[in-house]
Amino acid sequence: QVQLVESGGGVVQPGRSLRLSCAASGFTFSSYGMHWVRQAPGKGLEWVAVIYDDGNDEYYTDSVKGRFTISRDNSKKMVYLQMNSLRAEDTAVYYCARDYYSSASGALDSWGQGTLVTVSS
Amino acid sequence: QSALAQPASVSGSPGQSITISCTGTSSDIGGYDSVSWFQQHPGKAPILLIYDVTNRPSGVSHRFSGSKSGNTASLTISGLQAEDEAHYYCNSYTGTSHPVVFGGGTKLTVL
Repeated sequence: QVQLVESGGGVVQPGRSLRLSCAASGFTFSSYGMHWVRQAPGKGLEWVAVIYDDGNDEYYTDSVKGRFTISRDNSKKMVYLQMNSLRAEDTAVYYCARDYYSSASGALDSWGQGTLVTVSS
Repeated sequence: QSALAQPASVSGSPGQSITISCTGTSSDIGGYDSVSWFQQHPGKAPILLIYDVTNRPSGVSHRFSGSKSGNTASLTISGLQAEDEAHYYCNSYTGTSHPVVFGGGTKLTVL
């Protein structure tokens, strides 16, 4: 069955970097768009970034543009989120999610369990 | 990009039907038939209930249905059950450099 497992979260000081990873299994990874979605404590879902199936297109929400980079390795069935210049407001549970389509429809049909990122001094 | 507008809370009694609205603009909901709905229980990952406005993934109860009129999408839950108590989120494709936008979420209370 489809499985997404995030890792890499933790406590980090403001201004530092962190890389999240998401390991996919149970489906043809190279055929699907992949997203990162975050949820701050007690808040709603916020879309963060997407990378298309072939890795040639990527898009970001404004608040992370220039600081975060999404990437994927189809040979390893992995998607990553490199987070630089972290801010307190980036504190959230970060979910990896699969798009139903190869691009970015928003129909996120499979989600990981999430990994918590806490930005604090 | 602005979040889609959802009511903060709705409630209903077991067996009743409720509808949650999700209002956007002609640049998102009104412009594309790419609205999705998610259910999230506390401490759990979201689950896709509806995609492409009206489609249900396999395994999702027929009690959940979606619709759209103009810039507003709606999720209807019929035959409310206690386990439906959760947060519900909509999202939409936008066709811009920020291709996905979520609603603020709605807390459903089953009385």
